[in-house]
Amino acid sequence: DAGVIQSPRHEVTEMGQEVTLRCKPISGHNSLFWYRQTMMRGLELLIYFNNNVPIDDSGMPEDRFSAKMPNASFSTLKIQPSEPRDSAVYFCASSLDSGGTDTQYFGPGTRLTVL
Amino acid sequence: GDSVTQMEGPVTLSEEAFLTINCTYTATGYPSLFWYVQYPGEGLQLLLKATKADDKGSNKGFEATYRKETTSFHLEKGSVQVSDSAVYFCALRPGKLIFGQGTTLQVKP
Repeated sequence: DAGVIQSPRHEVTEMGQEVTLRCKPISGHNSLFWYRQTMMRGLELLIYFNNNVPIDDSGMPEDRFSAKMPNASFSTLKIQPSEPRDSAVYFCASSLDSGGTDTQYFGPGTRLTVL
Repeated sequence: GDSVTQMEGPVTLSEEAFLTINCTYTATGYPSLFWYVQYPGEGLQLLLKATKADDKGSNKGFEATYRKETTSFHLEKGSVQVSDSAVYFCALRPGKLIFGQGTTLQVKP
């Protein structure tokens, strides 16, 4: 089975531009998570969805960030306008449930560089 | 709130040495505990997990025991290999995963 798929793998953009990151979770999984990883702050959960509904978006840094999950097989994380401090690796993960013990499976990440 | 604390790295070992990476946690209730590994340029992979007190998770020669009395979940391996060089993250849930800051392991031949 394919794992979590993210695109693009690398994105370089200029400050002020809109950036859209994409994620396809593992088929059959009903929870999806977006994380950001930086050297300074480590791994941070930005938002997670259960059955396509956002459950906790308390980690979204500010209004420039938005996430959608229009169906069970696709999610986007959008940054508009982007800033240099948004440079990070963004991971998407999915799991079979939103709580309890189930394992989260991570995608390979999108390395974002904002110049 | 819930939190995870890992020993700071980097940890540098020679091949075949014994590995311990300490992890302690603070949580209400009875969380599940996880170790994830991140190889260079890749996403995180689950290494092992334990869902209740005294459970031992194990995989690829790595082990960790859920110790409720000491709120710890230390990662151990008896003989490390160069291919074990990676960043190791301790984490807990239910709900959202809460990660430690990660510990870099470097194994030299």
